[in-house]
Amino acid sequence: NAGVTQTPKFQVLKTGQSMTLQCAQDMNHEYMSWYRQDPGMGLRLIHYSVGAGITDQGEVPNGYNVSRSTTEDFPLRLLSAAPSQTSVYFCASSYSRRGGEKLFFGSGTQLSVL
Amino acid sequence: AQSVAQPEDQVNVAEGNPLTVKCTYSVSGNPYLFWYVQYPNRGLQFLLKYITGDNLVKGSYGFEAEFNKSQTSFHLKKPSALVSDSALYFCAVRDMKSDGYNKLIFGAGTRLAVHP
Repeated sequence: NAGVTQTPKFQVLKTGQSMTLQCAQDMNHEYMSWYRQDPGMGLRLIHYSVGAGITDQGEVPNGYNVSRSTTEDFPLRLLSAAPSQTSVYFCASSYSRRGGEKLFFGSGTQLSVL
Repeated sequence: AQSVAQPEDQVNVAEGNPLTVKCTYSVSGNPYLFWYVQYPNRGLQFLLKYITGDNLVKGSYGFEAEFNKSQTSFHLKKPSALVSDSALYFCAVRDMKSDGYNKLIFGAGTRLAVHP
């Protein structure tokens, strides 16, 4: 039972480069979300989705895009990486379509932007 | 807006002693509260949640949390700490949005260090 799978685990980018963080879940959860974790700030919500074709912004959406073409996948795109986007990124899903319930987290992607 | 605060950056406790990790909340309406744990290089794992009912909630790995409405607190506790409990602990509250969808708001986290 894989749960929530994130790739890559580590990534180094140069300022201005773009990339996609992959997230897949095999639990048939409709709700999926992306958080970033920064020291002393906890986790902050970037974007979330309540089903295929439906996405919305969280607290810190600037510089990130998402799409949800299938129930299983929820990729996060960095359009033009900036040093301020250096962080650890977590994808999470929930059995509750409305969110706000127990979240299942991936193991994270550590991103450094130089 | 809903929020949680974790007043301690780090908690140190000796193995075998009881531990408490503090969390206070600010919500409008009834709070839905959660505790998560993060072990090194891992994602967060759910420990327990409070929705309603008994003020003492039992969760995974022998942890429990006490909900106190008058003090707006939701402290995480364990009667006897293990070295393997050393990790980063997050308190979270559900934020109900006007569009009917919810999200979890996390505290800054508290690092628990259990010494042999």
